[in-house]
Amino acid sequence: KAGVTQTPRYLIKTRGQQVTLSCSPISGHRSVSWYQQTPGQGLQFLFEYFSETQRNKGNFPGRFSGRQFSNSRSEMNVSTLELGDSALYLCASSTQGSGKNIQYFGAGTRLSVL
Amino acid sequence: AQRVTQPEKLLSVFKGAPVELKCNYSYSGSPELFWYVQYSRQRLQLLLRHISRESIKGFTADLNKGETSFHLKKPFAQEEDSAMYYCALGGDWANNLFFGTGTRLTVIP
Repeated sequence: KAGVTQTPRYLIKTRGQQVTLSCSPISGHRSVSWYQQTPGQGLQFLFEYFSETQRNKGNFPGRFSGRQFSNSRSEMNVSTLELGDSALYLCASSTQGSGKNIQYFGAGTRLSVL
Repeated sequence: AQRVTQPEKLLSVFKGAPVELKCNYSYSGSPELFWYVQYSRQRLQLLLRHISRESIKGFTADLNKGETSFHLKKPFAQEEDSAMYYCALGGDWANNLFFGTGTRLTVIP
C-alpha cells in the first residue's frame, strides 16, 4: 500500500504570494490532518478534514486554509505569505475520525519564503 | 488546555546503557498517548501507543495518570536508536495530535 504522498517536496516563494500544497492519503483513509513544523515552535496542528469537512482547527490565522476532495485528497493553501511561514508542512492520514487512531505521516513539503 | 512537555532537548547515552526519555502531559479528558520517532532522512512514524501496551524495538512506555507521565524506556540502547523522539497527546475525538518539542537521542558507540 502506498504511503501518504505530499507534493511538491520543496517550494520557494516570496512574501505576499500564495501557495497550495497537496496531500494524498493512504488508500481507504478518510481523515487528513495538517501540521506545521518549525525549529522554534516544533510541530503544531493546523487543521483536520474528515469526509470533506473541516472538523478541527488549530490556532493559526485565516491565511491558512484547506479543503478535502471526495477521494480524500487534501490541499492546504496559504495566502499572503510571510517570512514566518517558512516551515516543513506535514500531512497525516488516518482511517477514522478519532484521536485514538494512528496517524501516518507524509515526508512533508518544505516551504521557504524569501 | 492540552500540553505535552519533553524536558530534554538532547540526550546522549552509551550503547548498551539504559535510556529513558521523559514526557509529561496536561489534559482534562481521557488521554491517548503516543511516541513518534523520526530517524535520519525518514518520515515521522509511530513507535508505540499506550493502549497497545506492547514493546516495539525494545522500547516500552507506561501511562502514569497520577504523575501525568508517559516516559519511554529501553534497557539497552543500540546505535540504531539514535533519532528524534516526539511524545504526542491525542484528543478525545478528532485527529489532532499535540506534540512535545522532541528529544534528540544519540547513542554513542
